[in-house]
Amino acid sequence: ETGVTQTPRHLVMGMTNKKSLKCEQHLGHNAMYWYKQSAKKPLELMFVYSLEERVENNSVPSRFSPECPNSSHLFLHLHTLQPEDSALYLCASSRDSYTGELFFGEGSRLTVL
Amino acid sequence: AQSVTQLGSHVSVSEGALVLLRCNYSSSVPPYLFWYVQYPNQGLQLLLKYTSAATLVKGINGFEAEFKKSETSFHLTKPSAHMSDAAEYFCAVSDRRTGNQFYFGTGTSLTVIP
Repeated sequence: ETGVTQTPRHLVMGMTNKKSLKCEQHLGHNAMYWYKQSAKKPLELMFVYSLEERVENNSVPSRFSPECPNSSHLFLHLHTLQPEDSALYLCASSRDSYTGELFFGEGSRLTVL
Repeated sequence: AQSVTQLGSHVSVSEGALVLLRCNYSSSVPPYLFWYVQYPNQGLQLLLKYTSAATLVKGINGFEAEFKKSETSFHLTKPSAHMSDAAEYFCAVSDRRTGNQFYFGTGTSLTVIP
C-alpha cells in the first residue's frame, strides 16, 4: 500500500468513447503526476501538478486532458483515443515538485480497441 | 539535459548469487539518482535514492547502490539474490534544480533461477 490509489485498474474502450482515470493520494503531498508506461520504452512523463496548478505538459496530445481539483485528486480524461495509446498509466505523488521522490499507484491498464 | 542508460534489458542470476544491475547517467549538474522496482501488475516502488550524502546508499530488501561521479554510474547490487527479487528495475535521475522532471531508464528485468 503506497498511499496512492488508482481506479479503474483495467479499462477497455473504443476509439469514440470518453472515459476517465482517477488517482487519489492519502499522503498529504502537494505534487501529482501522470506517467505513461509502454513496453520496452522509458516511462513518459505526461503531466505534473503542483499545488493544483499544472507545471509540466510534455507535448501530450489533446485527446488526453488532465484535471486536478485539489491536491489529493488527479484525473486523466480520455477522448477519441488511438490503439497506440494502449498502455499502463501510472499516477504518482511527491511532497513537492522538487523533492525528488515519487510514490506511485498501481496503475490503470488501458486497452483501446 | 539528462538521460539514463541501463545496460542489459534482461539479467538472470541464480538464487544466492550476486545481483548487479547497471545504470549510467548523463547530467550537466549533480543529480539526484534513484532505483525503483516494479513487481508484476503493480506500480513502481522506491528501492533507494542518492541525494548527495554518502556515495554508498543502502535501500530496502538488502539492495545498495554506489554513486561514482568519475564513472557517471549508479549500479545496483545485492550480495545474494532471492526468488522474490524477480521484478523490473528502473534507474532514474532528476535535476536538483527542477526536481519535477524525472528521467527513467528503459528498465532491467531480473530473473532469479532456483
